[in-house]
Amino acid sequence: AQSVTQLDSQVPVFEEAPVELRCNYSSSVSVYLFWYVQYPNQGLQLLLKYLSGSTLVESINGFEAEFNKSQTSFHLRKPSVHISDTAEYFCAVGGGGSYIPTFGRGTSLIVHP
Amino acid sequence: KAGVTQTPRYLIKTRGQQVTLSCSPISGHRSVSWYQQTPGQGLQFLFEYFSETQRNKGNFPGRFSGRQFSNSRSEMNVSTLELGDSALYLCASSLAEGRAADTQYFGPGTRLTVL
Repeated sequence: AQSVTQLDSQVPVFEEAPVELRCNYSSSVSVYLFWYVQYPNQGLQLLLKYLSGSTLVESINGFEAEFNKSQTSFHLRKPSVHISDTAEYFCAVGGGGSYIPTFGRGTSLIVHP
Repeated sequence: KAGVTQTPRYLIKTRGQQVTLSCSPISGHRSVSWYQQTPGQGLQFLFEYFSETQRNKGNFPGRFSGRQFSNSRSEMNVSTLELGDSALYLCASSLAEGRAADTQYFGPGTRLTVL
């Protein structure tokens, strides 16, 4: 069975500061990793995903995540956040015999002016 | 392409009633999944349908059921509502069959409040 741990339930940060949202997963087989974002009163939308190849993946709005197999982590980073990045962020893992992704509990990113 | 749509967006029911939620996936998507989202439990998988067949089921009681139609539209039903069923119910569709790498496309959700 797979599991995902998002170590921080809430991350407050000031605008233009860097941020890291942590995600660790457990799986005994190769996996696919995802970050989804949920803005207030909306459903989740894909931010970025790792399938294979380069361990560093980027999104169109400046976020990046690095797949670290030895540490079973897929942390999300952004060098300079904006107020509009305030949202709930979910890490998810797929594969390992199941095509239903397992989601973490989510991390609420709160960007202060 | 239109995104995943869910109706209604908001619903208020009382304990003991039943409710039906509807989901229309993105055109061409054949897999539809349902999730329950609550502040305490996060995102929990309910079930997944593909070609009108339930392929996967989460750990929810039998009061939660669903179905999928030939046009891939899906409905979920909750009978004998309990206060604890108050949640945001999310529907997600994906393109292909049985591919763990597929992106899930979520609808905006139906906010169910049970009084």
